Amino acid sequence: DTEVTQTPKHLVMGMTNKKSLKCEQHMGHRAMYWYKQKAKKPPELMFVYSYEKLSINESVPSRFSPECPNSSLLNLHLHALQPEDSALYLCASSQVLRAASYEQYFGPGTRLTVT
Amino acid sequence: AQKITQTQPGMFVQEKEAVTLDCTYDTSDQSYGLFWYKQPSSGEMIFLIYQGSYDEQNATEGRYSLNFQKARKSANLVISASQLGDSAMYFCAMREGSRSASKIIFGSGTRLSIRP
Repeated sequence: DTEVTQTPKHLVMGMTNKKSLKCEQHMGHRAMYWYKQKAKKPPELMFVYSYEKLSINESVPSRFSPECPNSSLLNLHLHALQPEDSALYLCASSQVLRAASYEQYFGPGTRLTVT
Repeated sequence: AQKITQTQPGMFVQEKEAVTLDCTYDTSDQSYGLFWYKQPSSGEMIFLIYQGSYDEQNATEGRYSLNFQKARKSANLVISASQLGDSAMYFCAMREGSRSASKIIFGSGTRLSIRP
């Protein structure tokens, strides 16, 4: 099974709402990632979790709060978002070994619209 | 700082022809990895092929091959016998260092359109 699942597929939220994005993988990967992708742009890394610990935070605003409750799950909690946060949010996972060859497997993404 | 450059914003190719998508990179690291991903309009990023900085042979995966020229810092993707389903956005990406759980940066992408 080489699948990363993300829910929901689409999300529309107001600027005062609190919502969460969910990502799940069952490949035994111990690294998980959140990316943000604006239209016609490449994905931009937001966070990296390695062995359920946050290892990289790319200076993301605090209105985005990641959580990795176990090795299979990755959440992104959203609150007080701005319209410019509307984007495709991609989750990915990979192995964590001293071998940079391991590719990241991506989920289908959540299309977020902030109104 | 590492950098990935894709100079072709868009390309049109006739079905069954071969196509080369350009990618150049810049890094001061000796150990790095290069990836190509395909992103159809559905949004999912699909891994295509990987080339390590120490790999002496060019990587191949089915119809995909990577033309790796280390001295020129280029890692072009070659798709042989293109198909209509190859129409998508293609991203070149690089990871520095030797750990898998580290940052990947992506180029700006090339939108490939296959004509029937």
